[in-house]
Amino acid sequence: DGGITQSPKYLFRKEGQNVTLSCEQNLNHDAMYWYRQDPGQGLRLIYYSQIVNDFQKGDIAEGYSVSREKKESFPLTVTSAQKNPTAFYLCASSRDGVQETQYFGPGTRLLVL
Amino acid sequence: SQQGEEDPQALSIQEGENATMNCSYKTSINNLQWYRQNSGRGLVHLILIRSNEREKHSGRLRVTLDTSKKSSSLLITASRAADTASYFCATQGAQKLVFGQGTRLTINP
Repeated sequence: DGGITQSPKYLFRKEGQNVTLSCEQNLNHDAMYWYRQDPGQGLRLIYYSQIVNDFQKGDIAEGYSVSREKKESFPLTVTSAQKNPTAFYLCASSRDGVQETQYFGPGTRLLVL
Repeated sequence: SQQGEEDPQALSIQEGENATMNCSYKTSINNLQWYRQNSGRGLVHLILIRSNEREKHSGRLRVTLDTSKKSSSLLITASRAADTASYFCATQGAQKLVFGQGTRLTINP
């Protein structure tokens, strides 16, 4: 099965804790993206990567970090600096970063304890 | 901002009726895409229309694009209960895809 997987489905964060959301794709796509979605809202871009070992900040990168050491993987860390992390996080990929359809994973819902 | 704005924010119709959603944006684009999201799930790509195209069809979906008015519409014909979802337009500029806030569509049996 080709596609994008995200884990876990639900994640709980304690105050002051860093947590990492996993995103893996086997579509052989070059570009990968992380979005945040708040209730009743659209998607906002956190970070994106068009190639391995390179990534750029999106519109709301503060309090988040990413890495792209492998083509298949693009993990997102929500750091303690992110004061309002409760949201639905969506990972996506596209064949390349320009003018392409994006394919989305099922999402991770992050809740703060 | 080139962000798309959908109208209406919510739409409720009877099964079998047609549903029309609109999207307006502010700056020039290379393409415009429509996505569907079922509650609590990821987005699914529906259709992409390029800036030099005026209309595209895919099954029961019809998308139009008017670049002079900076607007697009998504028409779903003969709606079904399974079409209940949120629908997002996304505009592609030089670099990134920018999503609107979506239209919540409810199909009543």
